Amino acid sequence: AQTVTQSQPEMSVQEAETVTLSCTYDTSESDYYLFWYKQPPSRQMILVIRQEAYKQQNATENRFSVNFQKAAKSFSLKISDSQLGDAAMYFCAYRRVETSGSRLTFGEGTQLTVNP
Amino acid sequence: EADIYQTPRYLVIGTGKKITLECSQTMGHDKMYWYQQDPGMELHLIHYSYGVNSTEKGDLSSESTVSRIRTEHFPLTLESARPSHTSQYLCASSETSGQYFGPGTRLTVT
Repeated sequence: AQTVTQSQPEMSVQEAETVTLSCTYDTSESDYYLFWYKQPPSRQMILVIRQEAYKQQNATENRFSVNFQKAAKSFSLKISDSQLGDAAMYFCAYRRVETSGSRLTFGEGTQLTVNP
Repeated sequence: EADIYQTPRYLVIGTGKKITLECSQTMGHDKMYWYQQDPGMELHLIHYSYGVNSTEKGDLSSESTVSRIRTEHFPLTLESARPSHTSQYLCASSETSGQYFGPGTRLTVT
């Protein structure tokens, strides 16, 4: 079974600084998807960024980028120029590539605090 | 921005009552999901559906039931609510590129 581990329950960053959130996963699959979700205090889960395992290039979405290390099964999220609105719980998630389903396996979450 | 809706957003109800949490999406997604999440904790999949008339139990055992009569609608029902059902319930639907979540229903059973 696939597992996703986020070893940092809490992280903090100064506004305008850069922070990296860690995620590791375990799978025997060679092709899969990885995601980072953000859950602010309003509780709605928001998709931040996705990465296809077959792509070597790291995904980037504006201030958010990932460092995908397939051999190490590592998928960290880097937030540049942190803003107060980035404060949230961040979840790393894994999904197999299959035609009949797309269930996500989530990590435990990392609570990010942004200090002004 | 994804169009997935959940009602009610907040519900406080007494023990023994029957409740239905509504979830609907306008994106035409075949796959839909229900997750349960306690405050500050990870999400646990309790039900999912691959399409109309398809429902499956998830990783976390739940006393709730679901139905999928229409593509856009995936309601979750608790026949007899108990305090142990107090939690946040998140609905999601998906396409290949990822899952999109509704705003959630915060349920409190007294």
